[in-house]
Amino acid sequence: QVQLVESGGGVVQPGGSLRLSCVASGFTFNSHGMHWVRQSPGKGLEWVAFIWYDGRNEYYADSVKGRFTISRDNSKNTLYLQMNSLIFEDTAVYYCAKKGVGWGGFDYWGQGTLVTVSA
Amino acid sequence: EIVLTQSPGTLSLSPGERATLSCRASQSFSSSYLTWYQQKPGQAPRLLIYGASSRATGIPDRFSGSGSGTDFTLTISRLEPEDFAVYYCQHYGISPPYTFGQGTKLEIK
Repeated sequence: QVQLVESGGGVVQPGGSLRLSCVASGFTFNSHGMHWVRQSPGKGLEWVAFIWYDGRNEYYADSVKGRFTISRDNSKNTLYLQMNSLIFEDTAVYYCAKKGVGWGGFDYWGQGTLVTVSA
Repeated sequence: EIVLTQSPGTLSLSPGERATLSCRASQSFSSSYLTWYQQKPGQAPRLLIYGASSRATGIPDRFSGSGSGTDFTLTISRLEPEDFAVYYCQHYGISPPYTFGQGTKLEIK
C-alpha cells in the first residue's frame, strides 16, 4: 500500500533553516509528481510546492518563493523541502502528498510533520 | 489566482440527514479541476472527489459532487457518524497555485 512518511520537523528560531524529508513506498515514486502542503494550527490547508516526477520543474506558493526549495531523490524514493529564512508564519504541520493521475487531486498524504518557528 | 469560498463555515446536522456543502470560485474554471477532501481531527486530509464528480478509490457512494463554472457542491446523502469532519474544496488546475477553500466544518447537531 502507498505510504508517505515525513520527518525533520522541529522547533527553529526565526531566520533559521530546516529540511523536511518524505520517504515514499508502495508506488513507483519516479513516475509521480509530489507536493508539499501545510496547515497552520487550527487553520486551513495551504499548498506550498510541487515538483515534477523527474525533478525537472518546480513550482512554489508566493508565500515561500525564494525561501523554500523542493527537491527529490528518485534513487532513494525521497522528497525534500529545504526551508530557509523561516518566519513565524511558517509554523505549521507540513504534509507531503502524491499527485494523482491527470487531474486526480492529491491522492495520498503523509501523516505530517510539525514545524514551529519560535524565538 | 482563483479564490474559493466555502459555505457554510459550520454545518450542524444529525446522522441520517443530508448534507450540502458549497464551494464558490472567484472565476470560472473547468469542472475537471475541482477536488474535495475530508479531514478529521489529528489526521491528514483524504481525497474524496476529483474532477468535480468522480469519487476517489474507496469512497462510499453516499458522497457525490456536482457543479460547473463557479459553483460546486459536495453532497452527503445520509450522514454516518464517521462523516463529521472538515471538508475542503480545491482548485487543482493546469498551473499553480493550487488553492484550497477555507473549509466547512460538519458537526453533529
